[in-house]
Amino acid sequence: DSGVTQTPKHLITATGQRVTLRCSPRSGDLSVYWYQQSLDQGLQFLIQYYNGEERAKGNILERFSAQQFPDLHSELNLSSLELGDSALYFCASSTRTSGSLYEQYFGPGTRLTVT
Amino acid sequence: GNSVTQMEGPVTLSEEAFLTINCTYTATGYPSLFWYVQYPGEGLQLLLKATKADDKGSNKGFEATYRKETTSFHLEKGSVQVSDSAVYFCALKTSYDKVIFGPGTSLSVIP
Repeated sequence: DSGVTQTPKHLITATGQRVTLRCSPRSGDLSVYWYQQSLDQGLQFLIQYYNGEERAKGNILERFSAQQFPDLHSELNLSSLELGDSALYFCASSTRTSGSLYEQYFGPGTRLTVT
Repeated sequence: GNSVTQMEGPVTLSEEAFLTINCTYTATGYPSLFWYVQYPGEGLQLLLKATKADDKGSNKGFEATYRKETTSFHLEKGSVQVSDSAVYFCALKTSYDKVIFGPGTSLSVIP
């Protein structure tokens, strides 16, 4: 158990809909990262937040957005869903924003199926 | 740009066989290198890491050496077990905390 929790575990929704995925980082971790894992694209970094502020952006679509709240939990919002958005979405957390001994701890993921 | 290339899988080995999963990278500067493992139905776990040239990361019988001259970080294990069946991801980190993952290599170990 990494200490990172994600809800829900599974989500099935229709095209055009909007969903929210939730992540609670490990106790004390200030950074939260979101990743998308799909069969054709592999594991893609989406976005990172540090202590409530956006820190780094990866291959995140404009239809997707995220935020980190004062209690450090984070939400990833996916809107106007398309079939191709079906994937496993991982959240990870880490203690530091940088440093050579940095380590990310991954949650179990949310499996999103768009029908 | 920065990228990670891994050998294509799936890799199927018999128990107690020797494992090598090749990983090469392209990066500016001096990245930190990682191997992550993903067991079926689970998230990624950090397996080992190396932060500078010639460093050797090791964990659970797995090893990888940071080779700057060949830009490689190959994963090895002398004797695999059925419980090692998983997907293995090579990754690098350069600036800030952005981590770039390779495509993953699926390993199946049969008794």
